[in-house]
Amino acid sequence: QKEVEQNSGPLSVPEGAIASLNCTYSDRGSQSFFWYRQYSGKSPELIMSIYSNGDKEDGRFTAQLNKASQYVSLLIRDSQPSDSATYLCAVTSTGGGNKLTFGTGTQLKVEL
Amino acid sequence: DAMVIQNPRYQVTQFGKPVTLSCSQTLNHNVMYWYQQKSSQAPKLLFHYYDKDFNNEADTPDNFQSRRPNTSFCFLDIRSPGLGDAAMYLCATSRDGYEQYFGPGTRLTVT
Repeated sequence: QKEVEQNSGPLSVPEGAIASLNCTYSDRGSQSFFWYRQYSGKSPELIMSIYSNGDKEDGRFTAQLNKASQYVSLLIRDSQPSDSATYLCAVTSTGGGNKLTFGTGTQLKVEL
Repeated sequence: DAMVIQNPRYQVTQFGKPVTLSCSQTLNHNVMYWYQQKSSQAPKLLFHYYDKDFNNEADTPDNFQSRRPNTSFCFLDIRSPGLGDAAMYLCATSRDGYEQYFGPGTRLTVT
C-alpha cells in the first residue's frame, strides 16, 4: 500500500523561529509533491508544490525534495501565530492517474 | 475570483435519509474530486471525474454516488446515510491532475 508518513506533532516553535515539517513516502515512482495547510474546521489550502529535486522557495515557505531518499520537507521561516495549523503532505500515486495520497498531517503551534 | 464552491456548508440529515451535496467551480478545471475527511484523519478520496470519465475508488461504499452534469458542477449523493458517514466532504478540482484546489467543504451531521 502506498503511504505518506508525517509526524503528527504537535510541533511547537516560538514566534519568529523556523518550523521544519517532514514527510516520507513509499511510492518511489511519485512525481509530484504538495503541501497543504489546514486550519481547524476548514478545508486544505495549497501552499507549495514541488516536482524536481532540490529547493523551491515562495515567500517564507521553502519546500525541499529528495527523491532518492523519498523525503519531502517544508520550512517556514519567521513563523507567525497565524501559521498555527495542520500541514498535510500529499504525493501523486504512480499508476493511479490523477490521485493524491495524503499524510495525516503535522500540527504546528507557533507560540508567542 | 476563480473558485470552488460547495453547498451547503453544513448539512444535517437523518439516518437513512438521502442527501445530496453540490460542488461548482469557476476555474474551468477538467478534473473534479470528492473526498471524505474525518477528524484528525487524512482526506480520503471517494471518486473523481476526469472530464466525463468517472473513476471510483475500490473501497468507496456503494452508498456513495456521484454525478457530473457539466464541466462546472459535480454532485455527491449519499443514498442512505449512516452515523459513520458523518464527516467533512471536500470537493477539489485540478487541471489534468496537477495541483488540486479545494472548496470550503460541507460538514455533514447524521442524526
